[in-house]
Amino acid sequence: AQTVTQSQPEMSVQEAETVTLSCTYDTSENNYYLFWYKQPPSRQMILVIRQEAYKQQNATENRFSVNFQKAAKSFSLKISDSQLGDTAMYFCAFMSEGTGTYKYIFGTGTRLKVLA
Amino acid sequence: DTAVSQTPKYLVTQMGNDKSIKCEQNLGHDTMYWYKQDSKKFLKIMFSYNNKELIINETVPNRFSPKSPDKAHLNLHINSLELGDSAVYFCASSQDRSVKKYGYTFGSGTRLTVV
Repeated sequence: AQTVTQSQPEMSVQEAETVTLSCTYDTSENNYYLFWYKQPPSRQMILVIRQEAYKQQNATENRFSVNFQKAAKSFSLKISDSQLGDTAMYFCAFMSEGTGTYKYIFGTGTRLKVLA
Repeated sequence: DTAVSQTPKYLVTQMGNDKSIKCEQNLGHDTMYWYKQDSKKFLKIMFSYNNKELIINETVPNRFSPKSPDKAHLNLHINSLELGDSAVYFCASSQDRSVKKYGYTFGSGTRLTVV
């Protein structure tokens, strides 16, 4: 069974600085998809960035980028130029290719606080 | 125009009661889901329906019964509520051909508190 681990329950970063949130996962599959979601205090789940396992190039979305290390089964999220609005829970999620049922396996989340 | 809407947003009820949470999506998606987020913020899938057919049924007490009258609606009925059912319940939807690229669209959640 797949598992997703986020080892940092809480982190803080100064505004305008860079922070990296870690995520590791375990799977025996070769094709899968990885996602980072943001959950601000409003509770809404917002997709931040995604990565296909068969692509070696790391995904980037504006200030957000990932460091995807397939052999190490690691998928960290880097937030550059942190803003106060980045304060939220961040969840790493795994989605399998093989089963045809597209469910997420979520990590336990990292609470990020951006300090003014 | 909310894409995935859940009602109610908040629900406080007594132990032993029966309650329902409704979910509707106007995106034309094929698949809908219920996820539970517990007090430690852990999110876990409960059910998934594809075109009104149940395709995922995780280990959930049978007091929880999903119902999908059509592919735009997925409701969750909970019988004999217990304190441990207190959580935030998220509805979500996805389009099969693009879920790997765009993921789910989530509703804003229903916070259920059982007292």
